[in-house]
Amino acid sequence: EAGVAQSPRYKIIEKRQSVAFWCNPISGHATLYWYQQILGQGPKLLIQFQNNGVVDDSQLPKDRFSAERLKGVDSTLKIQPAKLEDSAVYLCASSSHTSYPIYEQYFGPGTRLTVT
Amino acid sequence: GQQVMQIPQYQHVQEGEDFTTYCNSSTTLSNIQWYKQRPGGHPVFLIQLVKSGEVKKQKRLTFQFGEAKKNSSLHITATQTTDVGTYFCAGDSGTYKYIFGTGTRLKVLA
Repeated sequence: EAGVAQSPRYKIIEKRQSVAFWCNPISGHATLYWYQQILGQGPKLLIQFQNNGVVDDSQLPKDRFSAERLKGVDSTLKIQPAKLEDSAVYLCASSSHTSYPIYEQYFGPGTRLTVT
Repeated sequence: GQQVMQIPQYQHVQEGEDFTTYCNSSTTLSNIQWYKQRPGGHPVFLIQLVKSGEVKKQKRLTFQFGEAKKNSSLHITATQTTDVGTYFCAGDSGTYKYIFGTGTRLKVLA
């Protein structure tokens, strides 16, 4: 089966600009996660979707970050305006509950964002 | 909020030596997952533990979930250069929301 797809792979922007990331999860996976991974740290959950509904966005900086999941499939994560501290790798992951009780998360290759 | 800590932060071992990383959660977990991330790569799922006191083995890797379901460990026997990477635990308190640990970076010297 095809893996989780993300684009772009790399993005360099200046602070105060906006940027958007796209994720296409594995077909049939109901749960989609966006993580932020700063260099040398573990992935930090930003938002979790179940189908097209938000399950948890408690750690999403809502004044500048937004995310949506269209028709419960693809998802986009947007930052507007970007700050220097947003420089990180943004990882998208998906999982299926049909493999209960195992909820293996499949990660995409990530988008490396550099804010200058 | 829930915190997940791992020790050690770094570990350098000679090839053939054993390696262990420990994961501790501030709250009781429903289940815990382990991931491996190679340098420049993305996290790859290794295993999920669900039951109190559970022990699972995958070839040279042994995973353990604590009796109180607040801690876990990953032990690698006779490390190889292919084991290089960062190992993360990720704890779920019951809502399928996974909090990743701080990670242990393993370097294997040939």
